[in-house]
Amino acid sequence: DQQVKQNSPSLSVQEGRISILNCDYTNSMFDYFLWYKKYPAEGPTFLISISSIKDKNEDGRFTVFLNKSAKHLSLHIVPSQPGDSAVYFCAAPTSMNRDDKIIFGKGTRLHILP
Amino acid sequence: DTEVTQTPKHLVMGMTNKKSLKCEQHMGHRAMYWYKQKAKKPPELMFVYSYEKLSINESVPSRFSPECPNSSLLNLHLHALQPEDSALYLCASSQLGQGGYEQYFGPGTRLTVT
Repeated sequence: DQQVKQNSPSLSVQEGRISILNCDYTNSMFDYFLWYKKYPAEGPTFLISISSIKDKNEDGRFTVFLNKSAKHLSLHIVPSQPGDSAVYFCAAPTSMNRDDKIIFGKGTRLHILP
Repeated sequence: DTEVTQTPKHLVMGMTNKKSLKCEQHMGHRAMYWYKQKAKKPPELMFVYSYEKLSINESVPSRFSPECPNSSLLNLHLHALQPEDSALYLCASSQLGQGGYEQYFGPGTRLTVT
């Protein structure tokens, strides 16, 4: 049972435009969400997170929106740059324990077109 | 220093070999993790160490043996692996009890079992 879902395996966006990556979750107990970015042959890099007490968190070109009633979050990147081409994973910790497991979505591969 | 280092970067081993993967962090993090990632899949959690004690073992076969010699080091001992164990092995660390669940990943060890 996939608790964190990224239904778009890939996304192509023109350089300079907005990239929107989507993520859905099924467990209403999830209260914290993270986005990771991964280049080939490298480990994932933490990008941005959001707590369920907020509906938006912004960090530079990256903004994450959370819609708790729809169990949906999205990552907006604006403007998109060539270096943003990577795989993006949505993730959620499974409990309040800080050392508990994080569940990752399957990832969305973002291609930024010149 | 926000870096997690892993050695070696690449490893090729036969099914009868014994080898070890090493991970190190100097961020004062008290939780450390081993993940396995196959191509086009998200990272899968294998083990979690919390305060140098094994707190989570995700039913990993005994041919994988983790070890946490101190709070900065994490090893993964490999013995009698199978070709299907070929994957990218990722180490990560995180702070405990400080709020947030951000895990910081190393670059990974690309393991090929022949």
